[in-house]
Amino acid sequence: AQSVTQLGSHVSVSEGALVLLRCNYSSSVPPYLFWYVQYPNQGLQLLLKYTTGATLVKGINGFEAEFKKSETSFHLTKPSAHMSDAAEYFCAVSIPGGAQKLVFGQGTRLTINP
Amino acid sequence: KAGVTQTPRYLIKTRGQQVTLSCSPISGHRSVSWYQQTPGQGLQFLFEYFSETQRNKGNFPGRFSGRQFSNSRSEMNVSTLELGDSALYLCASSSDRGFFAGELFFGEGSRLTVL
Repeated sequence: AQSVTQLGSHVSVSEGALVLLRCNYSSSVPPYLFWYVQYPNQGLQLLLKYTTGATLVKGINGFEAEFKKSETSFHLTKPSAHMSDAAEYFCAVSIPGGAQKLVFGQGTRLTINP
Repeated sequence: KAGVTQTPRYLIKTRGQQVTLSCSPISGHRSVSWYQQTPGQGLQFLFEYFSETQRNKGNFPGRFSGRQFSNSRSEMNVSTLELGDSALYLCASSSDRGFFAGELFFGEGSRLTVL
């Protein structure tokens, strides 16, 4: 079975600073990996995904993530934080060809300080 | 293109009652999934329907059930409500091909409070 661990339930950064949200996964086969964002009182929105190919993937709002198989990691980064980035971020994994469901991490709440 | 629509957005029930939540997927999407979100357990998969058939089911008791209609709209039902069922219930839709790219489109959720 696959699982996802997000290190840090809360992360706080200053506006303009680097954002780094950590995600490690466990899977018996090469998974698909995703980052979703959830703003208050809203559903989840896909930020970016890794399926195959280039290990550095770019998403919306200036976010990117790098798949590192040797480290079983898929950390999310953004060079310069903006106040509008304040939200909860979820890393998720699915198995290609397997049951059509996502397994989510516990989430990381990102706070941006002015 | 209209997004995923969930109704009702908020509801309050008492223990022992039952509740039905509704989800209308994006037009053309035939797969509908349901997730439960709580502060303690996070996001947990309930079940997934495709063409009126339940294809996958999570580890929830039989009190949680669902169905999908021929127009792809889905409902989920929780019977004999317990306090621990208080949660945000999220519906997500995808085209069948789209799922393998992780493109689940979520609704805003139905927030259930059980008193």
